[in-house]
Amino acid sequence: QKEVEQNSGPLSVPEGAIASLNCTYSDRGSQSFFWYRQYSGKSPELIMFIYSNGDKEDGRFTAQLNKASQYVSLLIRDSQPSDSATYLCAVNGRAGSQGNLIFGKGTKLSVKP
Amino acid sequence: GAVVSQHPSRVICKSGTSVKIECRSLDFQATTMFWYRQFPKQSLMLMATSNEGSKATYEQGVEKDKFLINHASLTLSTLTVTSAHPEDSSFYICSANRESTYEQYFGPGTRLTVT
Repeated sequence: QKEVEQNSGPLSVPEGAIASLNCTYSDRGSQSFFWYRQYSGKSPELIMFIYSNGDKEDGRFTAQLNKASQYVSLLIRDSQPSDSATYLCAVNGRAGSQGNLIFGKGTKLSVKP
Repeated sequence: GAVVSQHPSRVICKSGTSVKIECRSLDFQATTMFWYRQFPKQSLMLMATSNEGSKATYEQGVEKDKFLINHASLTLSTLTVTSAHPEDSSFYICSANRESTYEQYFGPGTRLTVT
């Protein structure tokens, strides 16, 4: 059973700090990695995807991928209270799975003013 | 780009009735769409994978005769909850794959309450 693991949190950071969210995955053959943000009562929103080892930056968000360690992370710089949400890590599923993603259970982030 | 709509956003129905939820990809073609269910404070649960023009693939434990899925075109999939019961009350969310990628874009969800 392929798995995606995240610390459920809550992760609490002060406003302006860097929030670091981590995710590990079990399938060494995974190629596509995604971060979604889900506000309470809302559906998930895709905020970052990364396919290659290294860092990918988009505004205040940086995704980091280390395939050798089977580890993907999301850094949020200058965290704002509006960043408070649950962050879901997702990894592409089994070969031939028609684009299916395996989701972690999410890390709840709380940014305190 | 990559907008997915869902209708209705909220529905209340009586026990024993059926409810249809529509999911549309507005600015891209989606050969594959997914249906999820999420109970309060719980994680997403994939119910089924829907492909245009073919039968849906249901996850283990999901009753295909209760949750009817139709993917009639490259931009529309529907989920019908038949003979709904209070335990079917949940947040139903669809998503669609941008063609030839694993990128999945979610609709805004439908909150179903069965009384």
